[in-house]
Amino acid sequence: SSELTQDPAVSVALGQTVRITCQGDSLRSYYASWYQQKPGQAPVLVIYGKNNRPSGIPDRFSGSSSGNTASLTITGAQAEDEADYYCNSRDSSGNRYVVFGGGTKLTVL
Amino acid sequence: QVQLVQSGSELKKPGASVKVSCKASGYTFTSYAMNWVRQAPGQGLEWMGWINTNTGNPTYAQGFTGRFVFSLDTSVSTAYLQISSLKAEDTAVYYCAREGYSSGWYDAFDIWGQGTMVTVSS
Repeated sequence: SSELTQDPAVSVALGQTVRITCQGDSLRSYYASWYQQKPGQAPVLVIYGKNNRPSGIPDRFSGSSSGNTASLTITGAQAEDEADYYCNSRDSSGNRYVVFGGGTKLTVL
Repeated sequence: QVQLVQSGSELKKPGASVKVSCKASGYTFTSYAMNWVRQAPGQGLEWMGWINTNTGNPTYAQGFTGRFVFSLDTSVSTAYLQISSLKAEDTAVYYCAREGYSSGWYDAFDIWGQGTMVTVSS
């Protein structure tokens, strides 16, 4: 199995740029996907693959990866971006298992 | 539009069973794998496993073998999660999620059901 580690909480001033990271051995082989979850709502996919945004996701969201760390960057954070963010990827077992990070609570100040 | 609609909240006693449904619409059901994700109150997302909607073959994550069963009824484009011998620690929101983007390097869940709250309490 594998683990993905995220910082529990991050804050950003309105309009500034914030990076949320996700670390794990599996990220050396697989890309992370990123999900936004607001209270009482289902998660929403915001980034997948190398740096792909599903239709309807603002272009202020971007993804990157280096070594064992994947990052989600929000450039010009908006109040509506305040949410929990989760990464996931395949684990390193090769058996098509998936693992989620513990989540990061983003506060927009 | 493409959507997954799950069955409503459930209140069960310990030892009972529950079956959660996830009805797909707006796309060809058998073209995408279906995943199940658990979220305990105040906790993060936990991947439970997935089911191949072509073959019906399920794959369960560690910790979700034995009491958890994924199944399909492709005639009504519906996936099911059944949990038996319920325990208090099974209290959670259960989501189905379509694996809309998949390659050798990633699996991304692009469509999620609204979630089904299962409460286990005596």
